[in-house]
Amino acid sequence: DTEVTQTPKHLVMGMTNKKSLKCEQHMGHRAMYWYKQKAKKPPELMFVYSYEKLSINESVPSRFSPECPNSSLLNLHLHALQPEDSALYLCASSQDKRTGPQPQHFGDGTRLSIL
Amino acid sequence: GESVGLHLPTLSVQEGDNSIINCAYSNSASDYFIWYKQESGKGPQFIIDIRSNMDKRQGQRVTVLLNKTVKHLSLQIAATQPGDSAVYFCAENGRRDDKIIFGKGTRLHILP
Repeated sequence: DTEVTQTPKHLVMGMTNKKSLKCEQHMGHRAMYWYKQKAKKPPELMFVYSYEKLSINESVPSRFSPECPNSSLLNLHLHALQPEDSALYLCASSQDKRTGPQPQHFGDGTRLSIL
Repeated sequence: GESVGLHLPTLSVQEGDNSIINCAYSNSASDYFIWYKQESGKGPQFIIDIRSNMDKRQGQRVTVLLNKTVKHLSLQIAATQPGDSAVYFCAENGRRDDKIIFGKGTRLHILP
């Protein structure tokens, strides 16, 4: 079991639907991340939140909208997705980097399928 | 540019033998390296990390070696077990921000 919890584990949606992915951690970590992972590929960074503020957006299309309501929660709002957006979406968190480099701890992801 | 890659996409090892997974990186400014294990249907799991001021670090049954001269990183797994079957990613971080770059991954297959 991981300490980063993602829901739902699986999601199937049409291209006109609106849905949200949720991520939660209670390790006191101050940085949270969204990654996209296609089959047999490494995770690709999408967004980074540091102290609840968006610090990195890797030129992600606006149909993906992140939100960090508080230091423990991270959401990814989805709207008008394309079939090529089908992938495993991973959330991760890490401690404050200002105390030294820190590993990221990952959830088990949400498997998203776009019909 | 920056890149982190692995030499072999698949590694087959006899159960009980030692496994060595290699990784090459090109960013000489990288100062922190991480190995992750990803089992089927799960997220990447942190295994071990090493900072650039170290050459070697040991954990439980795992050892990471860093050769900064040739920009090479390796993960050694002692007495490989069936539960070690997974894809292994190296990752590096060389900047002041929180971004890490993943290598392409190596699948470790355990032979009975």
